[in-house]
Amino acid sequence: AQSVAQPEDQVNVAEGNPLTVKCTYSVSGNPYLFWYVQYPNRGLQFLLKYITGDNLVKGSYGFEAEFNKSQTSFHLKKPSALVSDSALYFCAVRPANQAGTALIFGKGTTLSVSS
Amino acid sequence: NAGVTQTPKFQVLKTGQSMTLQCAQDMNHEYMSWYRQDPGMGLRLIHYSVGAGITDQGEVPNGYNVSRSTTEDFPLRLLSAAPSQTSVYFCASSQDRSFSSGANVLTFGAGSRLTVL
Repeated sequence: AQSVAQPEDQVNVAEGNPLTVKCTYSVSGNPYLFWYVQYPNRGLQFLLKYITGDNLVKGSYGFEAEFNKSQTSFHLKKPSALVSDSALYFCAVRPANQAGTALIFGKGTTLSVSS
Repeated sequence: NAGVTQTPKFQVLKTGQSMTLQCAQDMNHEYMSWYRQDPGMGLRLIHYSVGAGITDQGEVPNGYNVSRSTTEDFPLRLLSAAPSQTSVYFCASSQDRSFSSGANVLTFGAGSRLTVL
């Protein structure tokens, strides 16, 4: 069965500093990987995905993520954090080439950016 | 384009009562799913559907029923509510249920907050 681990419940960074939100996964075969963001009292919004190809994926709002197959990781990064980036971030995985398989989410990481 | 619409936004039930959380999408998406979100637990999949007439269980299906009679609607039924079902529920849909295109980006509704006393 597939699973996702987000080892940090909370990440604190100062505005303007780089940020990293960590994600590791377990899945049989190749993965499809996703990052979603949730702002307070809102539903989740899609940020970026890795399907195949270049290991560095660029997404919305200046975020990017690097797929590392050997470390089974898909860390979310941003070169310069904004206060408005403060939110709850979810990593998600599903196995490639398995029709009808659902998307499994991690427990989420709260990102807090201070001014 | 409304996207994914969930009703009600808030609901308070007594233990043993039944109710249905409604989910409708107007994007002609094949795939629909229900998640519950609890503090420290992230999002856990309850049930999902890859098309009309097809449903399957997720990680935490007990106490919930679903059906998919149309492409647009995917209601979640609580037959006898329990305090453990107090949670925020999210419905999500995506265009493509297959993996050939990798297009399965989920669109989420705004959520339904359920309290069971």
